[in-house]
Amino acid sequence: KAGVTQTPRYLIKTRGQQVTLSCSPISGHRSVSWYQQTPGQGLQFLFEYFSETQRNKGNFPGRFSGRQFSNSRSEMNVSTLELGDSALYLCASSWRQDTQYFGPGTRLTVL
Amino acid sequence: GENVEQHPSTLSVQEGDSAVIKCTYSDSASNYFPWYKQELGKRPQLIIDIRSNVGEKKDQRIAVTLNKTAKHFSLHITETQPEDSAVYFCAASIGGNFNKFYFGSGTKLNVKP
Repeated sequence: KAGVTQTPRYLIKTRGQQVTLSCSPISGHRSVSWYQQTPGQGLQFLFEYFSETQRNKGNFPGRFSGRQFSNSRSEMNVSTLELGDSALYLCASSWRQDTQYFGPGTRLTVL
Repeated sequence: GENVEQHPSTLSVQEGDSAVIKCTYSDSASNYFPWYKQELGKRPQLIIDIRSNVGEKKDQRIAVTLNKTAKHFSLHITETQPEDSAVYFCAASIGGNFNKFYFGSGTKLNVKP
């Protein structure tokens, strides 16, 4: 099976803009989670979607949102970008409610 | 919510030595504990996991131990090799809510040849 894929791999934006990141899970996986990875904060949980519903949410401001489509693909949106949003954004998919498989990530740089 | 602390933040060992990374968690409801290895520029990869009904699990040179009473779990790598050099993350997930994971801050392991 193909692994988790994320697009784009790299993105450069300026403050105030918005961005949409995409994640395609492993075929058959219905759960998609999103994480923000920064050198100082490690891996921070953003949210998790299962069957098109947000099931879990981390402690991020409302500027961070997401959705999941009927084919389990998921998108994450960040509005009104801030410098501090520069990070590697990882998504992970799982079939059962445990083992997560990560995508390669999208490296977002906010100037 | 859950809080996972991981130590040490960096670890340097000689090839062939053992390496131990420790994590503590705060919520006694946590019952699934995976470990991930992330090489530079790559995605985190699951290397081993343990559930709260098990005290120890081994997979070749890698083992994980769990002490539920003390709320800590550890990763043990024996006979380390240069290719073990990476950042290792522990994580914990709570109760029936498996897919909300709390990660430790990571340990950068350097295995010197």
